[in-house]
Amino acid sequence: SQELEQSPQSLIVQEGKNLTINCTSSKTLYGLYWYKQKYGEGLIFLMMLQKGGEEKSHEKITAKLDEKKQQSSLHITASQPSHAGIYLCGADITNDMRFGAGTRLTVKP
Amino acid sequence: EAGVAQSPRYKIIEKRQSVAFWCNPISGHATLYWYQQILGQGPKLLIQFQNNGVVDDSQLPKDRFSAERLKGVDSTLKIQPAKLEDSAVYLCASSLVSVNTEAFFGQGTRLTVV
Repeated sequence: SQELEQSPQSLIVQEGKNLTINCTSSKTLYGLYWYKQKYGEGLIFLMMLQKGGEEKSHEKITAKLDEKKQQSSLHITASQPSHAGIYLCGADITNDMRFGAGTRLTVKP
Repeated sequence: EAGVAQSPRYKIIEKRQSVAFWCNPISGHATLYWYQQILGQGPKLLIQFQNNGVVDDSQLPKDRFSAERLKGVDSTLKIQPAKLEDSAVYLCASSLVSVNTEAFFGQGTRLTVV
């Protein structure tokens, strides 16, 4: 979706390193979702953010929605091979859920 | 709680043939989505149902794709005739309501058109 831009497109990190994935919208976000997808499988819900400045954490993954509500970041601390996959941001932009192109994360042991 | 069920898991057809995919959403979920995900891209919304009514089908190629959600529960997505560029994973998702709530995804159907 051109409405949601994710960066970087792909990322290779050494196990134990921290990393950040960004999602930028051209429009105000009223609901921002982060999903993880393993190759060839369905999407697994990670977190939903709704309010500007909101920050949520689940295990070693933290997501934040900026104050102006047009950008979100996903931060992984001390990455592990189990974190590998495709991270997708999704948003309620036109009353339905649209997705970015995804960020492919590889974690080297 | 049972998740979103999709079948078949994989399908290989020749171009110009027809194919149908089936989705059974989570019980009680009013909203159902069909997405097309081409390799290396994010999911693209094809159609959204609210109960058995269509909310958004602006990105559905209606000359060859059709979808229905009978009785507001199960849904089928059909392609007739298929083209090579239809090769993709077709994902079904459901949610309680249409916005501000997480959507649950099925495992997807991987379609290969040869």
